[in-house]
Amino acid sequence: AQSVTQPDIHITVSEGASLELRCNYSYGATPYLFWYVQSPGQGLQLLLKYFSGDTLVQGIKGFEAEFKRSQSSFNLRKPSVHWSDAAEYFCAALSNAGKSTFGDGTTLTVKP
Amino acid sequence: EPEVTQTPSHQVTQMGQEVILRCVPISNHLYFYWYRQILGQKVEFLVSFYNNEISEKSEIFDDQFSVERPDGSNFTLKIRSTKLEDSAMYFCASSVGQGGRNTIYFGEGSWLTVV
Repeated sequence: AQSVTQPDIHITVSEGASLELRCNYSYGATPYLFWYVQSPGQGLQLLLKYFSGDTLVQGIKGFEAEFKRSQSSFNLRKPSVHWSDAAEYFCAALSNAGKSTFGDGTTLTVKP
Repeated sequence: EPEVTQTPSHQVTQMGQEVILRCVPISNHLYFYWYRQILGQKVEFLVSFYNNEISEKSEIFDDQFSVERPDGSNFTLKIRSTKLEDSAMYFCASSVGQGGRNTIYFGEGSWLTVV
C-alpha cells in the first residue's frame, strides 16, 4: 500500500529565510506526487505536481520541489519565505485508481 | 480558472440527523471524490465516483455514507445518521481522468459540526 510521510510536524523559519519541507513516499510504481497548501479554515490549494520528466518542478508562489527516486523523496523548497506562507502543507501521492494518499502535514510558522 | 464549488461552507447538525453536502465539480471532469479532514488531522480519502458508480471507497465510507450525482452538475455526499465523530471538513474533488497524470482539484470544503 502506498504511504506518504512528512517527518516534520511543525517548522518555524524567519521571514526571508529559505525553507525545505520534507516528504517521503512508499509506492510500488511510478508515483504521481503533489504538494498542497492549506490556510486555516480554508481548502486545499495545489502548489505543484510531479508526473514524470524533469525532476525539479516549479509551482506557484515561488515554490519548487525535487523528486529523488533514490531517496523516495519529494521535498518542497522556497528560497525566501514570506509571512503569508504560514500555513499547513500537505504532500500527497496519487494512485492510478485515482485515490490520493496524504501525509500528516507540516505546519509552517514564519517569524518576523 | 474553473473550480470545484461546495455548499454549504459550514453546517451544524444534531447527532442522528441526516446531512447532505453538495458539490459542483469542474464541468469537463468525469471523476469525482470526497475526502475528509478531522480537525488537526490528515486529509483522508472517502470515495471515488465515475460513470454513476462508486469506483473505490475507504473503510471510513460505511453504510451511513452515500454519494449521488442527481443531475448533470451536482455531486452529493449524504450522511444518514450523523455521529459526533463525523465532525470534520469534507472536501469534494474532481479530475478529468483517473490517476496517472490527472490532477485532482479540490473544493474549498464544507465544515460539518455535529452536536
